[in-house]
Amino acid sequence: GENVEQHPSTLSVQEGDSAVIKCTYSDSASNYFPWYKQELGKRPQLIIDIRSNVGEKKDQRIAVTLNKTAKHFSLHITETQPEDSAVYFCAASPRGGAQKLVFGQGTRLTINP
Amino acid sequence: NAGVTQTPKFQVLKTGQSMTLQCAQDMNHNSMYWYRQDPGMGLRLIYYSASEGTTDKGEVPNGYNVSRLNKREFSLRLESAAPSQTSVYFCASSEDLNVGVHQPQHFGDGTRLSIL
Repeated sequence: GENVEQHPSTLSVQEGDSAVIKCTYSDSASNYFPWYKQELGKRPQLIIDIRSNVGEKKDQRIAVTLNKTAKHFSLHITETQPEDSAVYFCAASPRGGAQKLVFGQGTRLTINP
Repeated sequence: NAGVTQTPKFQVLKTGQSMTLQCAQDMNHNSMYWYRQDPGMGLRLIYYSASEGTTDKGEVPNGYNVSRLNKREFSLRLESAAPSQTSVYFCASSEDLNVGVHQPQHFGDGTRLSIL
């Protein structure tokens, strides 16, 4: 089955700098890759997703890149702000009828003012 | 719209007790999911229901049962709770448009369950 590895587990950056979180997946048939943000004690919330027919997607300060050959995808946050502090999870969904997600272990991002 | 609603929000059980976690969504989604979240391990799928009347095992189904009561509701039951089941449980739902075309999953607020 699918296995998703996420790095780093913790990341601390200065406000205004960029943050990059990387994930690798094992199942070459996976075709959907969402990213979720989870604030302390809250529900995971989708911030951006990408499908396997696209190499990059941007939404304001957030971008995701996908390298299908290497089986890895990354989240890029530019001009970081204190409210970006949270735990971020990547996930991969294997191709098939059921929309199952396999999640990475999470990255705790801290933005230092 | 409330989205995905989970009850209860908190629960403490003794080993061996049983309980049912409730989940309801008002977005007319076909698919529903139960995850558990443990520190350092992300979210792991327990069971899912691709449509009303069907359920399937996820990564960690042992010790759990589920019921897809109708399109809106998907419950998770612990028959004999064990300390290893102490976790935060999240329910999620997603809309099916076409087979194989994944749609975002929307999560509830979670149930924090402690088993002593």
